[in-house]
Amino acid sequence: KQEVTQIPAALSVPEGENLVLNCSFTDSAIYNLQWFRQDPGKGLTSLLLIQSSQREQTSGRLNASLDKSSGRSTLYIAASQPGDSATYLCAVKGNTPLVFGKGTRLSVIA
Amino acid sequence: DVKVTQSSRYLVKRTGEKVFLECVQDMDHENMFWYRQDPGLGLRLIYFSYDVKMKEKGDIPEGYSVSREKKERFSLILESASTNQTSMYLCATLRRGLGADTQYFGPGTRLTVL
Repeated sequence: KQEVTQIPAALSVPEGENLVLNCSFTDSAIYNLQWFRQDPGKGLTSLLLIQSSQREQTSGRLNASLDKSSGRSTLYIAASQPGDSATYLCAVKGNTPLVFGKGTRLSVIA
Repeated sequence: DVKVTQSSRYLVKRTGEKVFLECVQDMDHENMFWYRQDPGLGLRLIYFSYDVKMKEKGDIPEGYSVSREKKERFSLILESASTNQTSMYLCATLRRGLGADTQYFGPGTRLTVL
């Protein structure tokens, strides 16, 4: 059964820092991996989707990488801003519906 | 723009009540999902549906049922609400692409069962 782990569970950084969020998964037979953002009390917003054949995807200050063979993905946030404060979740898609990690709660301090 | 709406943002019910949570999408997606989200447990799949009138159990279906009479609407039903069903409920749809399925989420319903 696929398991997705996100480390750390919480992270606090000063504004302007570059940071990396980690996601690992146990079964490398995936079709794609998706990163989501969730603001408190709200639904999930899709940030980036990486297909299994891709190594990375970029959107603005966000860059997500995927190493399928090692079961790892990272989300890199450049020049963090207070507005980036949220919970970030990764999810993998295999033969079953998406399997989610528990998320990393990010706080960017002004 | 993709749109997934849920009937209520906040709901308070009493133990034993029958509760309906509605989800509507305007994207003509075949796949729809209901999750619950709890602190420390993350998102857990309750039920999903691949087509009208079709449903599949997720990881935690006990105490829940679903209804998909029309493609755009997927309802989650708590037959007899209990306090351990207090949670945030999230509905999602799935767009199938060329090897890249993307999920879209509604804003969530925070249900409190007293």
